[in-house]
Amino acid sequence: DAGVTQSPTHLIKTRGQQVTLRCSPKSGHDTVSWYQQALGQGPQFIFQYYEEEERQRGNFPDRFSGHQFPNYSSELNVNALLLGDSALYLCASSFTPELDVTQYFGPGTRLLVL
Amino acid sequence: LAKTTQPISMDSYEGQEVNITCSHNNIATNDYITWYQQFPSQGPRFIIQGYKTKVTNEVASLFIPADRKSSTLSLPRVSLSDTAVYYCLVAPSGSARQLTFGSGTQLTVLP
Repeated sequence: DAGVTQSPTHLIKTRGQQVTLRCSPKSGHDTVSWYQQALGQGPQFIFQYYEEEERQRGNFPDRFSGHQFPNYSSELNVNALLLGDSALYLCASSFTPELDVTQYFGPGTRLLVL
Repeated sequence: LAKTTQPISMDSYEGQEVNITCSHNNIATNDYITWYQQFPSQGPRFIIQGYKTKVTNEVASLFIPADRKSSTLSLPRVSLSDTAVYYCLVAPSGSARQLTFGSGTQLTVLP
């Protein structure tokens, strides 16, 4: 049973570029959440996708967008990259209906913006 | 969302029991308490979750007093591999909610 997988593991971009990160949820899960974790900080919620729609969104600008596919996998897109976007981007999956509060995290994608 | 407060760091020695306390004074009736563990450059890993009293699994125990305004994660007989950041989260039941992480507690286990 595969857990949450993310690709790529590492990425280097320059300011102003665009990036796409990918996530495959744990088998049986249909909800995907994305988090940004800056060095030394806890993960910060970006948004959550369920049934191919954005259901909840944290305090992130519109430069951050996402998508969920029919197979429940998801993409996170960041446009016009800033130096401050350098972080570990985490994907977490879970299952609805809402009886289990547990979210399962992937290993993350380390993004460095130069 | 209820805010949590936990120590920034703790040191312990191998074989000792470690207790990490988290304060959540504004916890709501439908909130659950969940603890995650995170190693460097890895995603957080679920450790334990509870609503009230005591919960125990193969990894840890979670003690929650009657007023639920705090909780204590107990790790029995820690080893060097337990060195990690531990996050206490409070959130309503259900996956249709965002997890709010604080800065966590850096636990360092010394030989």
